[in-house]
Amino acid sequence: GNSVTQMEGPVTLSEEAFLTINCTYTATGYPSLFWYVQYPGEGLQLLLKATKADDKGSNKGFEATYRKETTSFHLEKGSVQVSDSAVYFCALRGSSNTGKLIFGQGTTLQVKP
Amino acid sequence: NAGVTQTPKFQVLKTGQSMTLQCAQDMNHNSMYWYRQDPGMGLRLIYYSASEGTTDKGEVPNGYNVSRLNKREFSLRLESAAPSQTSVYFCASSEALMGQGAYNSPLHFGNGTRLTVT
Repeated sequence: GNSVTQMEGPVTLSEEAFLTINCTYTATGYPSLFWYVQYPGEGLQLLLKATKADDKGSNKGFEATYRKETTSFHLEKGSVQVSDSAVYFCALRGSSNTGKLIFGQGTTLQVKP
Repeated sequence: NAGVTQTPKFQVLKTGQSMTLQCAQDMNHNSMYWYRQDPGMGLRLIYYSASEGTTDKGEVPNGYNVSRLNKREFSLRLESAAPSQTSVYFCASSEALMGQGAYNSPLHFGNGTRLTVT
């Protein structure tokens, strides 16, 4: 079945450091891929998405490219801020599983000033 | 602009007690979902409702029931709570579940209900 694997956290960075959170997936067909972010005490919010191979999703300085050849959707940001501290979830929506979202286990990011 | 509203925010139950988690959305979305979030396990789908009048089991439905009361509201009921149901529960909604529209239809989440069963 479809699945998503994220790098384990927590990831601790200093402000202005470069961020990469790895995400790989297993799916049949052509899934859509998403990154969601969860700030403390809140629900998840969509951060960015990509719906086909080689698409790049971007938002708030974050980027992720849909790489079908490596089945990956790694999240990157060039310069993190303290306000980026949150839990980040990679997710996929398969093309043949009635459209339900499948989430990775989440990666906690802590950014220190 | 409320989005998805969940009540209550916190709840403590004793083993064997029952309760209903309420969820309402004001975005005229067709599909609604209940997830639970546990440390190291991400979000797991409990039940979902593709459209008003339909409900289906997700990955972890045992011990839960749901009701899609109308297009806006989707409740989750624990008939006899167990300590294994201690978790944070999230309700979500989206425009569509199936078909082409589902591809680009993100989920909108509530702020969660933190449930402890002792």
